[in-house]
Amino acid sequence: NAGVTQTPKFQVLKTGQSMTLQCAQDMNHNSMYWYRQDPGMGLRLIYYSASEGTTDKGEVPNGYNVSRLNKREFSLRLESAAPSQTSVYFCASIEGRGDYTFGSGTRLTVV
Amino acid sequence: SQQGEEDPQALSIQEGENATMNCSYKTSINNLQWYRQNSGRGLVHLILIRSNEREKHSGRLRVTLDTSKKSSSLLITASRAADTASYFCATGISNRDDKIIFGKGTRLHILP
Repeated sequence: NAGVTQTPKFQVLKTGQSMTLQCAQDMNHNSMYWYRQDPGMGLRLIYYSASEGTTDKGEVPNGYNVSRLNKREFSLRLESAAPSQTSVYFCASIEGRGDYTFGSGTRLTVV
Repeated sequence: SQQGEEDPQALSIQEGENATMNCSYKTSINNLQWYRQNSGRGLVHLILIRSNEREKHSGRLRVTLDTSKKSSSLLITASRAADTASYFCATGISNRDDKIIFGKGTRLHILP
């Protein structure tokens, strides 16, 4: 099925550990986004990639890095996880000024 | 800071009634979108309204946009239990990219 696939769905990390969240879309979209969602909050933009080979910071980029590996894949890396990064992470993609397609999310807990 | 702010934060209504949620925003926009999120799931796009449009319909959904007041409303008519979810407005503000900024959402609960 066409859409946005995120892996893993759940992850528990210890403080200081690193990990990479994977996102892939098969809709040939140019733009891809990473958001985090915390209780009582909307989605806050971490990083985005308007096209292959470009990345830009969003509202809350500190503690994260991203890689737009190719047109399909956009990964989010936590180099040294902190409890404040406990959240649900969503990847999304879009083509043009239309609606976003979201993945089902990665629930990350940092202990 | 949040661009969009939904009101109310939470809403409970009886099944069959209409539900109205509002969104206010701060800066000029290109478009405004509404999304639904069921508990523990990703967001699903509902409807997009462009800055030069005033009203849009999709099934039981009706969205209005008043750019002079910097506000939008989402009306769900004849609510059903399956409409229980959180609803978010998101605004597209840039001419350079497709980035959108989300509000904190309205939690809608449909009572049987």
